[in-house]
Amino acid sequence: AQTVTQSQPEMSVQEAETVTLSCTYDTSESNYYLFWYKQPPSRQMILVIRQEAYKQQNATENRFSVNFQKAAKSFSLKISDSQLGDTAMYFCAFMNLYGGSYNQGGKLIFGQGTELSVKP
Amino acid sequence: NAGVTQTPKFQVLKTGQSMTLQCAQDMNHNSMYWYRQDPGMGLRLIYYSASEGTTDKGEVPNGYNVSRLNKREFSLRLESAAPSQTSVYFCASSGVKSELAVYEQYFGPGTRLTVT
Repeated sequence: AQTVTQSQPEMSVQEAETVTLSCTYDTSESNYYLFWYKQPPSRQMILVIRQEAYKQQNATENRFSVNFQKAAKSFSLKISDSQLGDTAMYFCAFMNLYGGSYNQGGKLIFGQGTELSVKP
Repeated sequence: NAGVTQTPKFQVLKTGQSMTLQCAQDMNHNSMYWYRQDPGMGLRLIYYSASEGTTDKGEVPNGYNVSRLNKREFSLRLESAAPSQTSVYFCASSGVKSELAVYEQYFGPGTRLTVT
């Protein structure tokens, strides 16, 4: 069975600095997606960034980027120029694809979350 | 465009009572999901429906039933609520982002359920 582990329950960073959140996963599948979701105090789940396992290039979305190490089964999130609005719980998630195919969707398995505080 | 909607937002039940959580999506997605979120445990999958007419158990299905009423709607029922079912419940739907041909999962705002 697939598992996702986030080993940092809490982290803090000063505004404008850079922080990296760690995530490791375990799977025997070769095709899958990885995601980072943000959950602010409003509890809405917001997609931050997505990575397809077949892509070697690391995904980036503005100030957010990932370091995807497929062989090591590691998927860390880097937040550059941290802002107060980045304060939230961050979840790493693995998508177990239906039939192992990228074009049919799948089920998400979440890590335990990392609570990030950005301090002024 | 409402996305994924859930009702109610809050609910308090007594042990043994029953209730149904409603979820609807307007994105024409094939797949829908129910998760529960407990402190320190992330989100765990209760049931999912990969396509209209099918439902399957997730990681924590005991004490719950689901109905995929049509392509838009997916309900979660607690037949006899227990204090262990106190949690925040999220509905989600999943579909391809056509211009990118990749799948993403979109979440509703959640229902906070307390069972006393």
